[in-house]
Amino acid sequence: ETGVTQSPTHLIKTRGQQVTLRCSSQSGHNTVSWYQQALGQGPQFIFQYYREEENGRGNFPPRFSGLQFPNYSSELNVNALELDDSALYLCASRPVTWTGNTGELFFGEGSRLTVL
Amino acid sequence: TQLLEQSPQFLSIQEGENLTVYCNSSSVFSSLQWYRQEPGEGPVLLVTVVTGGEVKKLKRLTFQFGDARKDSSLHITAAQPGDTGLYLCAGDAGGTSYGKLTFGQGTILTVHP
Repeated sequence: ETGVTQSPTHLIKTRGQQVTLRCSSQSGHNTVSWYQQALGQGPQFIFQYYREEENGRGNFPPRFSGLQFPNYSSELNVNALELDDSALYLCASRPVTWTGNTGELFFGEGSRLTVL
Repeated sequence: TQLLEQSPQFLSIQEGENLTVYCNSSSVFSSLQWYRQEPGEGPVLLVTVVTGGEVKKLKRLTFQFGDARKDSSLHITAAQPGDTGLYLCAGDAGGTSYGKLTFGQGTILTVHP
């Protein structure tokens, strides 16, 4: 139990549609990041948010966007869905303290997106 | 672009056997983490190694960070069916990339009773 919750757990969309995934981070964690994990692969970094601002982005197109709210919860939005967007989307948060912190992440269980 | 090559991709062994998973890169990482992921769940941190040459033990699991901080290994002694899962290594480059992990492609371990 990491204290990071994601919703929805599963969803099905069709090509061209838009999707919003939500994440509630663990209490006291002010940094949240999103990862995409295709079937049989390791997670790939999408972006990270710190104090409501994007703080780093991976190799994903602009149709992947996000938000972080004052309570540190977060959203991942994907526009113009493509078949290859089918994946498990993982949200992860990190504690506030940076002393001795080596970037360890606490992951939610993920949102499984299927694009038909 | 930093890459982490993880091997083997699949490992199927009998209970009681030993195994080693490797994670290699041409890039230096400030730290390297190992995660275990079970179906339908997110990855769970097993260990973080920070210092070149560092060895950490977690019960039957032994983790090592290479001297140059470019590679790592996970060794499991006397594997048990409960060890079955996806093992992921992840590197943190530090600096402006702090906390943004680069993951290997994972090793799917199956331990048969």
